[in-house]
Amino acid sequence: AQTVTQSQPEMSVQEAETVTLSCTYDTSESNYYLFWYKQPPSRQMILVIRQEAYKQQNATENRFSVNFQKAAKSFSLKISDSQLGDTAMYFCAFMKGNAGNMLTFGGGTRLMVKP
Amino acid sequence: ETGVTQTPRHLVMGMTNKKSLKCEQHLGHNAMYWYKQSAKKPLELMFVYNFKEQTENNSVPSRFSPECPNSSHLFLHLHTLQPEDSALYLCASSQDAGDPYNEQFFGPGTRLTVL
Repeated sequence: AQTVTQSQPEMSVQEAETVTLSCTYDTSESNYYLFWYKQPPSRQMILVIRQEAYKQQNATENRFSVNFQKAAKSFSLKISDSQLGDTAMYFCAFMKGNAGNMLTFGGGTRLMVKP
Repeated sequence: ETGVTQTPRHLVMGMTNKKSLKCEQHLGHNAMYWYKQSAKKPLELMFVYNFKEQTENNSVPSRFSPECPNSSHLFLHLHTLQPEDSALYLCASSQDAGDPYNEQFFGPGTRLTVL
């Protein structure tokens, strides 16, 4: 079974600064995908960024980028130029490559962006 | 309505009641999912339906009974629940459950309280 751990229950960052959210995972699979989801206070969860384990290049989506360290089983999310709208719960998630789209989530990190 | 909608948004029920949660997706997807989000546990996948067929039951107690009459609608029938079943129940959909590249789109959730 896979496990996903987010060791930072809460974080805060000043507007316009950079913050990094940590995620580690445990798996014996070689083919898998990793995700960061954002759940704003309105509760609708949205996908932020995705990383395929077979790709060495770190994924980026505008102000969001990941640091994927496969050997260390680490998958951190960096948010640059933080905005007030980035305030949300952030969930790291794992999916096996042949698992029928089944996500395993971490416990989440609550991020507060301060003006 | 667009995206994934869920009704009701809030539900309070006694342990002897029978109630149902409804999810509807307007995205033309073929896969639908139920997740449970408890205060003290990571988001947990409960059920997966792909083309109206249940493809995953994540060891969910029988007091939760899913129903997927068509690819656009998903229900979760509840009966004789326990207080520990109080949680946010999230519905999601994706194009199909066989392709990990298919993003899951989430609804806003139903906040369930069992008294």
